[in-house]
Amino acid sequence: GAVVSQHPSWVICKSGTSVKIECRSLDFQATTMFWYRQFPKQSLMLMATSNEGSKATYEQGVEKDKFLINHASLTLSTLTVTSAHPEDSSFYICSARDSHRGSEAFFGQGTRLTVV
Amino acid sequence: GDSVTQMEGPVTLSEEAFLTINCTYTATGYPSLFWYVQYPGEGLQLLLKATKADDKGSNKGFEATYRKETTSFHLEKGSVQVSDSAVYFCALSARASGYALNFGKGTSLLVTP
Repeated sequence: GAVVSQHPSWVICKSGTSVKIECRSLDFQATTMFWYRQFPKQSLMLMATSNEGSKATYEQGVEKDKFLINHASLTLSTLTVTSAHPEDSSFYICSARDSHRGSEAFFGQGTRLTVV
Repeated sequence: GDSVTQMEGPVTLSEEAFLTINCTYTATGYPSLFWYVQYPGEGLQLLLKATKADDKGSNKGFEATYRKETTSFHLEKGSVQVSDSAVYFCALSARASGYALNFGKGTSLLVTP
């Protein structure tokens, strides 16, 4: 149990376009989802936390108008990178937590975004 | 705020050598502690965890003990294999931060035959 599926696993887009990344909990209800970003050879940095049905809470320095997060159901959250630029190229990873099942969150496979 | 500090890499070991990767943390309250592993080009995999003081997490020959008195969660393995080559992240989560994970910078391990 506790499987999180993230899609796509990789994407290449042109500068100025928008990209949507999906994160689905397949066998549990994700009351909370977390989005992280990882630059090459660096650690994961939390971008935002979203609770189902509520607006996401963004970490300091993360542009909420650029990284749109939607968590409209208990099994799906999406991250949309709007007007992507090469500096947005990174590895984006989601994790999901069911508050009724303890504190552990489960990770998706990650999405490698390359903006050209 | 909460933070995790882990030893800088890269760490290079010969096969069958003993591995220690140090991790210390600062946190208010009582966090849960984790070790994650990331193989090249892949996502994160949970390696082991401990949720309270003196708990020992173990998996695949790796072990780490939650030491509250030294605020540490060092990762150890008695005999590493080439397949253990990866980046290892120490992390903590706490109720105060909504259980978001706070990661260390990661330690790259290379095991040579």
